[in-house]
Amino acid sequence: LAKTTQPISMDSYEGQEVNITCSHNNIATNDYITWYQQFPSQGPRFIIQGYKTKVTNEVASLFIPADRKSSTLSLPRVSLSDTAVYYCLVVTYSSASKIIFGSGTRLSIRP
Amino acid sequence: GAVVSQHPSWVICKSGTSVKIECRSLDFQATTMFWYRQFPKQSLMLMATSNEGSKATYEQGVEKDKFLINHASLTLSTLTVTSAHPEDSSFYICSASGGQGFQYEQYFGPGTRLTVT
Repeated sequence: LAKTTQPISMDSYEGQEVNITCSHNNIATNDYITWYQQFPSQGPRFIIQGYKTKVTNEVASLFIPADRKSSTLSLPRVSLSDTAVYYCLVVTYSSASKIIFGSGTRLSIRP
Repeated sequence: GAVVSQHPSWVICKSGTSVKIECRSLDFQATTMFWYRQFPKQSLMLMATSNEGSKATYEQGVEKDKFLINHASLTLSTLTVTSAHPEDSSFYICSASGGQGFQYEQYFGPGTRLTVT
């Protein structure tokens, strides 16, 4: 299982773009990079997933360089409601394999 | 999208009693379900993996006789905390795999807050 490393915490302000970087040096060929968001006392919520280059959906973008050893979650124009913990995960889809959560990044948005 | 529910959402029990938590996949068949535990300000910790009709596989350090997992159908898995103690108080989250999109993508439930007094 590929281990991920991301900053423990980040602060930003409303309306700013926030970029959270995650390193996953031993990512394997079958692995996908997945980001989850978790609010207190709630289960994790899927944000975005990618394999390489750039993926964008209605809430975020995910940038993955060619070597795939890192990835960056980009949240455009954050609001107070984006205050949460964000987890970067490396997931293997060759089987129903387990996910190991790292420490996550605690993002605090200020007015 | 695929929906996973948990029941109850919160429970308070007395020390020494047993508590059962249910995890259901509402709109898909979950061949595999996972159980996690999360203490305050900490990350999710995987407790066990259960496949429908098979015995659960527990992570190292998780007592299988204390945390009984049953996955009797493709839509239901249960976690029973036996002889609960205050140190078992935690947030328990399940996830289910086998739904839409990627065949093995995991969908998480809303969690169950267990407080043992």
